[in-house]
Amino acid sequence: EDKVVQSPLSLVVHEGDTVTLNCSYEVTNFRSLLWYKQEKKAPTFLFMLTSSGIEKKSGRLSSILDKKELSSILNITATQTGDSAIYLCAVENQGAQKLVFGQGTRLTINP
Amino acid sequence: DGGITQSPKYLFRKEGQNVTLSCEQNLNHDAMYWYRQDPGQGLRLIYYSQIVNDFQKGDIAEGYSVSREKKESFPLTVTSAQKNPTAFYLCASSIWGNTIYFGEGSWLTVV
Repeated sequence: EDKVVQSPLSLVVHEGDTVTLNCSYEVTNFRSLLWYKQEKKAPTFLFMLTSSGIEKKSGRLSSILDKKELSSILNITATQTGDSAIYLCAVENQGAQKLVFGQGTRLTINP
Repeated sequence: DGGITQSPKYLFRKEGQNVTLSCEQNLNHDAMYWYRQDPGQGLRLIYYSQIVNDFQKGDIAEGYSVSREKKESFPLTVTSAQKNPTAFYLCASSIWGNTIYFGEGSWLTVV
C-alpha cells in the first residue's frame, strides 16, 4: 500500500528561524512528489519534484528530493508569521493519476 | 477567471439524510477528484474520475457516491451509510499527468 509520512507533525518556532520539514514515502512506480501549503482553506501548490538532487526554490522556500532515501525536505528560511500553515506532502505514482497525502506538518511561527 | 468552485461552503446534515456537494471546474481538466480531510490524517481520496462517464473508488469510498455526466461537474453525495461524515471535503481537478488544483472546500457537519 502506498504511504507518505511527514515529520514532525507539529512545529512551533520564532519568527526569523529556519525550519526543515520532512517527507518520506513508499510508493510503487514513483512519478512525482508535491508540496502544498494549507492555511484555512484549500491547499495551494508549492513545488513538484521529479528528479533527485535538484533543488527547487521560491523565495524563502526550497525543496529537494532524494529518490535513494525515498524522501524530501522542505526548507523555509527567515520564517514569518504568514508562514504559519499546515504543509502537506503528496506523492503521485505512474498511471494512477492520484495523489497519496501525508498527515501534514502544522507549522506555527510566533512573533 | 478559471477555477474550481465548490458549494456549499458550509452544510449541516441530519443523521439519516443524504447530501450532495457540488464541484464545478472551468479549467477544461479531464480528471477530477474528491478528498476528505480529518485532523491528523492529511487528505484521503474518496473517488476520482479520469474522463466523463467514468469514475473509480479511492481509499475511502464507502458511504459515498459520485457521477460524472459532464466534464465540468463532479458532484459528491454523502449517503446515510457514511457513519462519520463530519469533515472538510476538497474537490480537485487536473489535466492528465499534471499538477492537481483544489477548490476552496466544503465543511460538512452532522447535527
